[in-house]
Amino acid sequence: NAGVTQTPKFQVLKTGQSMTLQCAQDMNHNSMYWYRQDPGMGLRLIYYSASEGTTDKGEVPNGYNVSRLNKREFSLRLESAAPSQTSVYFCASREGSRYEQYFGPGTRLTVT
Amino acid sequence: AQSVAQPEDQVNVAEGNPLTVKCTYSVSGNPYLFWYVQYPNRGLQFLLKYITGDNLVKGSYGFEAEFNKSQTSFHLKKPSALVSDSALYFCAVRPNQAGTALIFGKGTTLSVSS
Repeated sequence: NAGVTQTPKFQVLKTGQSMTLQCAQDMNHNSMYWYRQDPGMGLRLIYYSASEGTTDKGEVPNGYNVSRLNKREFSLRLESAAPSQTSVYFCASREGSRYEQYFGPGTRLTVT
Repeated sequence: AQSVAQPEDQVNVAEGNPLTVKCTYSVSGNPYLFWYVQYPNRGLQFLLKYITGDNLVKGSYGFEAEFNKSQTSFHLKKPSALVSDSALYFCAVRPNQAGTALIFGKGTTLSVSS
């Protein structure tokens, strides 16, 4: 069981470039989440998917899009990266009958 | 607004001493409460949760937390700290609504000295 995996681990983008962060889980979880972590601000929810085929905005969705490709995969896309999107991005998943979330190792993104 | 507060940015404790990391919350209805730990350059690891029942919850690595409804608190505790407990700790709450995600506190850095 790999749990929640994320690719890439590190990425440097120039302002205006686009990229997709990939997330996959092998725990057969229904719900998946994308968070960003910034110093002194904890984790903030970007988007989440309660089940395959559904997505909803979180606290900070502007500048991002998501795709729940199937039950395993939930990707996060930055269409036109901005320096304010420099952050560490975490994907998480949750089994329907439990409340705790399980996190991936994160992607450290720098936008110059 | 629903929120979680961790009033201390950093907690310092000597190895072998008891530790407490504080958390207070503000949600409507009955809260579901969680503690997570993050080691450097790693993702968050689940430590423990309170959903209902006994106010003292035991979790991983010898940690426990006490739910206090009247004080709206959920403090993380350990009787005897280890240097390896040094990490960033997050308190989180799941509002009692279907389909909503966790609200995280800003985190508390625990530093255990030998």
